[in-house]
Amino acid sequence: EAQVTQNPRYLITVTGKKLTVTCSQNMNHEYMSWYRQDPGLGLRQIYYSMNVEVTDKGDVPEGYKVSRKEKRNFPLILESPSPNQTSLYFCASGFSLGTGNTEAFFGQGTRLTVV
Amino acid sequence: QQQVKQSPQSLIVQKGGISIINCAYENTAFDYFPWYQQFPGKGPALLIAIRPDVSEKKEGRFTISFNKSAKQFSLHIMDSQPGDSATYFCAAHKRDYGGSQGNLIFGKGTKLSVKP
Repeated sequence: EAQVTQNPRYLITVTGKKLTVTCSQNMNHEYMSWYRQDPGLGLRQIYYSMNVEVTDKGDVPEGYKVSRKEKRNFPLILESPSPNQTSLYFCASGFSLGTGNTEAFFGQGTRLTVV
Repeated sequence: QQQVKQSPQSLIVQKGGISIINCAYENTAFDYFPWYQQFPGKGPALLIAIRPDVSEKKEGRFTISFNKSAKQFSLHIMDSQPGDSATYFCAAHKRDYGGSQGNLIFGKGTKLSVKP
């Protein structure tokens, strides 16, 4: 079954404590991305990766890091989380349009609360 | 600046009725228009998508109508069912002429409730 798997699903942490949200896909997609979803703001892209060792900033990258050492994995790293990073996070993978890449599959989401 | 405007925010439809969700955009650099369906506690799932050189695309009960001159596109759900109750997001892929990626801009979502 094609899927994007995120872990953990729920996480409560304290300000400043480094955390990593893992993401793995089994579709051999070159393209992966991270989004956050906030009420009234919709889905906003944090980072994306077009292939192994190729990552770039999305619309809201501040406070986040990513890495892409393997094609299937794309972890999201919060070096020093702050309360304004409390949100619902989604990892996605997708395919090429010819004019860029687009998201086809999203993970189940990680609800992060920073206190 | 909101580049993709979606309406309505919420929609209630009777079972068997037609659900219509509208989106409008301004940027002519958009080259791909997908719709996503999201159930509570789940991630968005790609439902149906259209390119701007096509005016309509149908997949089962779901149809996208695209009006390039008006810069509008809409999702029609025919014979709406309670199982269609979800939040629907339109999106538009903005081509990056300077590179090869571009990015996906989402509308803010429409919460659809289909009453039995």
